Amino acid sequence: QGQLVQSGADVKKPGASVKVSCKASGYTFVSDDINWVRQAPGQGLEWMGWMNPNNGNTGYAQNFRGRITLTRDLSINTAYMELSSLTSQDTAVYYCAKSGEQGFDIWGQGTLVTVSS
Amino acid sequence: SFELTQPPSVSVSPGQTARISCSGERLAVQFVYWYQQKAGQAPEVVIYKDDKRPPGILERFSGSSSGTKATLTISAVQAEDEADYYCQSSDSSGTWVFGGGTKLTVL
Repeated sequence: QGQLVQSGADVKKPGASVKVSCKASGYTFVSDDINWVRQAPGQGLEWMGWMNPNNGNTGYAQNFRGRITLTRDLSINTAYMELSSLTSQDTAVYYCAKSGEQGFDIWGQGTLVTVSS
Repeated sequence: SFELTQPPSVSVSPGQTARISCSGERLAVQFVYWYQQKAGQAPEVVIYKDDKRPPGILERFSGSSSGTKATLTISAVQAEDEADYYCQSSDSSGTWVFGGGTKLTVL
């Protein structure tokens, strides 16, 4: 079945960067892409980008290009999302999600990132 | 990039059928996926590749797609179905897009 467990909530100042981790278990980490999706308070889902854990290839949504970096550490089956130049508009819950045949079939629990001075 | 358009809200009484639409040009050539998100929880896929149900998803949930419009149908709606529903699709470059979401209210 598999599981994705994300790092805990974080508070950042405007202009800073945040790095969220997503640890996979219960399935073969390199078999499927890991995606990142965010949800601002009271808003809808926004796809941010994908990463192929097998080869490290990535693709980013237009809105985040230049500010987002997706990486992974195969030794600990963990994916990372780093977002830079944060503003208050980046305050949101950030999710990682595995994409397979059945769509985004496994989701992390979400990580609340608050950007505040 | 492309867009997917959903109605902001749908309301039905218990036992009735709820239909949630999703429109977008890419739906004519790409699959649509549907997600249910209950308050305070991560989304969960309820329909994939237009009309397929993942294991564990009730038969009351069904999907269809024709041309540039897809529909999620929930039969015999129950109070527990109250949630936000999102459609999702992709383009040929691997970009994913979500619809704006539809809040289903069970009256």
